[in-house]
Amino acid sequence: GQNIDQPTEMTATEGAIVQINCTYQTSGFNGLFWYQQHAGEAPTFLSYNVLDGLEEKGRFSSFLSRSKGYSYLLLKELQMKDSASYLCAVRDEDTDKLIFGTGTRLQVFP
Amino acid sequence: NAGVTQTPKFRILKIGQSMTLQCAQDMNHNYMYWYRQDPGMGLKLIYYSVGAGITDKGEVPNGYNVSRSTTEDFPLRLELAAPSQTSVYFCASSRRSGTYEQYFGPGTRLTVT
Repeated sequence: GQNIDQPTEMTATEGAIVQINCTYQTSGFNGLFWYQQHAGEAPTFLSYNVLDGLEEKGRFSSFLSRSKGYSYLLLKELQMKDSASYLCAVRDEDTDKLIFGTGTRLQVFP
Repeated sequence: NAGVTQTPKFRILKIGQSMTLQCAQDMNHNYMYWYRQDPGMGLKLIYYSVGAGITDKGEVPNGYNVSRSTTEDFPLRLELAAPSQTSVYFCASSRRSGTYEQYFGPGTRLTVT
């Protein structure tokens, strides 16, 4: 079976750091993606992890632990424009398809 | 490059009507996908294609059909629309599968009443 869990909503303050967690159970694993989706818009690619460890890209970093079935997206120096939903998606090794979580809606307050 | 384009942006259908959602990409991507996104839910894969002339079912294909006659276009057909098909539909493309990220179109918001 396949299951991806993310918190439904989070709030944070402008300038702060926020960590969005994602846990997954899949029959096979072949990489994890994070996408950002602003309200009423299409998802856009943020990061990809296939090996354990941290991938840093500017203010955003993504971490993966395959043994724990766990990833997080770290957003630093939060800006108001970071208010969006963040989707965790796992590539299933057996089907080679992306399985999406329900997304975490992040609200950044001044 | 326009990327992935979708038409229409919005549509209201009556139960039992049919329509085609258009999707086109100009990035010469082989892989194309159709997803639906219901409120508070993740994206669910409807159909996908790995190249012209090749399509396959995803997680939720019932009530839909696709065709892929060219690399650029991947239309999604709804036959006999039902209220359960009210959703936002996203088309996406990628160069290949594996590590390549998917590029999404702006979406079509469909309401069936």
